[in-house]
Amino acid sequence: GAGVSQSPSNKVTEKGKDVELRCDPISGHTALYWYRQSLGQGLEFLIYFQGNSAPDKSGLPSDRFSAERTGGSVSTLTIQRTQQEDSAVYLCASSYYAGGGETQYFGPGTRLLVL
Amino acid sequence: GQQLNQSPQSMFIQEGEDVSMNCTSSSIFNTWLWYKQDPGEGPVLLIALYKAGELTSNGRLTAQFGITRKDSFLNISASIPSDVGIYFCAGRTAGTYKYIFGTGTRLKVLA
Repeated sequence: GAGVSQSPSNKVTEKGKDVELRCDPISGHTALYWYRQSLGQGLEFLIYFQGNSAPDKSGLPSDRFSAERTGGSVSTLTIQRTQQEDSAVYLCASSYYAGGGETQYFGPGTRLLVL
Repeated sequence: GQQLNQSPQSMFIQEGEDVSMNCTSSSIFNTWLWYKQDPGEGPVLLIALYKAGELTSNGRLTAQFGITRKDSFLNISASIPSDVGIYFCAGRTAGTYKYIFGTGTRLKVLA
């Protein structure tokens, strides 16, 4: 079946502008994660959605970052008043529990460049 | 944020050689995941481990869940040029949903 998809694949914006990043998880996956990956670095947790539960926003770096997940499926990560340090790859992952445990699958990412 | 200790950070190997890398944690994990990330792509899941001592293979790749539950190992046998990329481990403790990621092992294969 289709994997996790993200759009846009690349985004160039000017400092101070708002951006929206979209994630379409794998159908049937109840959990959805957003991560940020800076150049040459590991993955930094941003936010987690699980079913209808309140999301865990503890990883969001500032109040300029927010995310929604509508209908338990598509998620949007919004960055307001972008700064140059927001430039990174934003990765979305969805997961499901099967057999022995939970497995997490990633999308291709959105490469954000703030000028 | 918190990260796992993954080693080596990078390695150059000759085509056909075997490769080993590992991750260690200060916490006991109940899940270990291994990913490969190619340039410009998202991480691709290679192997998932759920039990201490578990040994799982995926083609030329073999990963093990350490008996102490604080480490995991990934081995690649008979490396080929397309094995080039960055390999990440990720672990999670029981009762939590947050994965902690290793810093990555950058693999370069010399033909």
